[in-house]
Amino acid sequence: GAGVSQSPSNKVTEKGKDVELRCDPISGHTALYWYRQSLGQGLEFLIYFQGNSAPDKSGLPSDRFSAERTGGSVSTLTIQRTQQEDSAVYLCASSLGATSGSGDIQYFGAGTRLSVL
Amino acid sequence: GQSLEQPSEVTAVEGAIVQINCTYQTSGFYGLSWYQQHDGGAPTFLSYNALDGLEETGRFSSFLSRSDSYGYLLLQELQMKDSASYFCAVNRDDKIIFGKGTRLHILP
Repeated sequence: GAGVSQSPSNKVTEKGKDVELRCDPISGHTALYWYRQSLGQGLEFLIYFQGNSAPDKSGLPSDRFSAERTGGSVSTLTIQRTQQEDSAVYLCASSLGATSGSGDIQYFGAGTRLSVL
Repeated sequence: GQSLEQPSEVTAVEGAIVQINCTYQTSGFYGLSWYQQHDGGAPTFLSYNALDGLEETGRFSSFLSRSDSYGYLLLQELQMKDSASYFCAVNRDDKIIFGKGTRLHILP
């Protein structure tokens, strides 16, 4: 597609349930980032995939959070046993990569708004 | 360690000029980027500085001083639509790291 696509756009779930958030990056982009943003707050880095390298998981807040990227394209962020504090907007971004020389411009999806009741 | 500092909020008047500063401390520095995010929207890229100096794009300019580990975003002829959050981001040789953002309030 022309841009980064995220689904679902909104997700309401009950506390304790698992959720899966999907990100479809721009074709040809080797880098993919997941961020979390609470209302009125900044971008909290979660995880970063670059090509075939091992992902940088340093931002994942707990072991309930995991992500994978299949075939270097689509990525899924999974949150197990959701808690109310997980409620936020989850943003995905893709780019050509850190050493692309063009400033590694990140293109963001519209995000998934997660509400945990 | 690494850090990015920018003011949490800035207020300016419509038609005026405002400067949003960003200081950083990081290894593997490559360049400094700026992103804009309107309420309810996704961040969008504004500018990138890899070298010292000023980059101008219309009403927006961005400056970088690598020796001072400092940069700023300059917005001229402010319009109400410029009300948004502005994030500086450090481009490292391994990944990009965002600051916490500056909320720009514009008064009529």
